[in-house]
Amino acid sequence: ILNVEQSPQSLHVQEGDSTNFTCSFPSSNFYALHWYRWETAKSPEALFVMTLNGDEKKKGRISATLNTKEGYSYLYIKGSQPEDSATYLCAFAGGTSYGKLTFGQGTILTVHP
Amino acid sequence: SQTIHQWPATLVQPVGSPLSLECTVEGTSNPNLYWYRQAAGRGLQLLFYSVGIGQISSEVPQNLSASRPQDRQFILSSKKLLLSDSGFYLCAWNRDRKNTEAFFGQGTRLTVV
Repeated sequence: ILNVEQSPQSLHVQEGDSTNFTCSFPSSNFYALHWYRWETAKSPEALFVMTLNGDEKKKGRISATLNTKEGYSYLYIKGSQPEDSATYLCAFAGGTSYGKLTFGQGTILTVHP
Repeated sequence: SQTIHQWPATLVQPVGSPLSLECTVEGTSNPNLYWYRQAAGRGLQLLFYSVGIGQISSEVPQNLSASRPQDRQFILSSKKLLLSDSGFYLCAWNRDRKNTEAFFGQGTRLTVV
């Protein structure tokens, strides 16, 4: 059974704060690491798909880094806004898994105005 | 463009009744198809995945079954629901083992009473 862990489980921040979450995953048989944003009453949507050790990706105020050798990824949000409130999920795709994703428990972010 | 449809959106069923949730994908062929469940307070747990018609892999032993009667149709079923089957069910697809980004349906909130 693959172990994909996210921390913290939940986070409350004030508007304008910067924040970050952690995802740890198996360092062997790695193919890709995904980050998804899941807003209430919507479907999860991909933020980033990362495949190379040392990858850094950015989309607006959100960025992510990847360390496949030690098995962790960080998601950063700069200057949080209330609309950033959501559950952030990471997912691990192994090299022989036919694209199957193993998800972490998620980090619930609440940004207070 | 590709779209994924999942229905119904909500369902309240008595214990011991049957279940059928349906998911269809449009705009692509031979997708990998997945059923995930989010139990209360947890991340997404993979229940079943399928890489082709009639091919079903079960990830966890449970009271549910899945079928793929057509290339882009994925059905989640149960003969007799248990209280523990309550949860939020998501259907998803991705292209293959190299294109692993997942696209999700809108989800079904199942309450077994």
